[in-house]
Amino acid sequence: NAGVTQTPKFQVLKTGQSMTLQCAQDMNHEYMSWYRQDPGMGLRLIHYSVGAGITDQGEVPNGYNVSRSTTEDFPLRLLSAAPSQTSVYFCASSYSGVGVGTTEAFFGQGTRLTVV
Amino acid sequence: EDKVVQSPLSLVVHEGDTVTLNCSYEVTNFRSLLWYKQEKKAPTFLFMLTSSGIEKKSGRLSSILDKKELSSILNITATQTGDSAIYLCAAYRRGSADGLTFGKGTHLIIQP
Repeated sequence: NAGVTQTPKFQVLKTGQSMTLQCAQDMNHEYMSWYRQDPGMGLRLIHYSVGAGITDQGEVPNGYNVSRSTTEDFPLRLLSAAPSQTSVYFCASSYSGVGVGTTEAFFGQGTRLTVV
Repeated sequence: EDKVVQSPLSLVVHEGDTVTLNCSYEVTNFRSLLWYKQEKKAPTFLFMLTSSGIEKKSGRLSSILDKKELSSILNITATQTGDSAIYLCAAYRRGSADGLTFGKGTHLIIQP
């Protein structure tokens, strides 16, 4: 039972480089989201998706793109990495997020990204 | 602006003590409140609270929601060193910016 799988676990980028953080879930969840966690800031929502083909911005979307071509996958793209994007990134999924809020969110193990 | 505030931000107690962690929220279209435990990696789910005044229990942990006061508490009795973690509170909102609004967490340290 894999749950939510994130890759890579660690990544170092140079300023200006681009990369994609991968997230996959095998629970047939409709709702997926990306958070970043910074010291003293808690978890902040970057982007979310309520189903395949539908994405929307969260609290801190600038510098990130997402797409949802399948139910299982929700990659996060950094277009041009900046030191301010150094953070731990978590992907989460839940059965349904819109207008329900009655199911827990399952989190991946996180990706620690450093931008130098 | 939606916000969730947790207190205290850090707490050091001795094994066997009872602790109470606090969470207050101001969230538009509030739906439910969740508690997570985060050790070294991903947050793991503890409780989801949607109804006011109904206590949820799991072993030595319990939690209750007060919708009138817009707050929740998480109690841990007979603490053990394995309870050391960051405890996160999150409010689930519905609407155009769906998702969880997290507090900054309470860093709990249990000393033997």
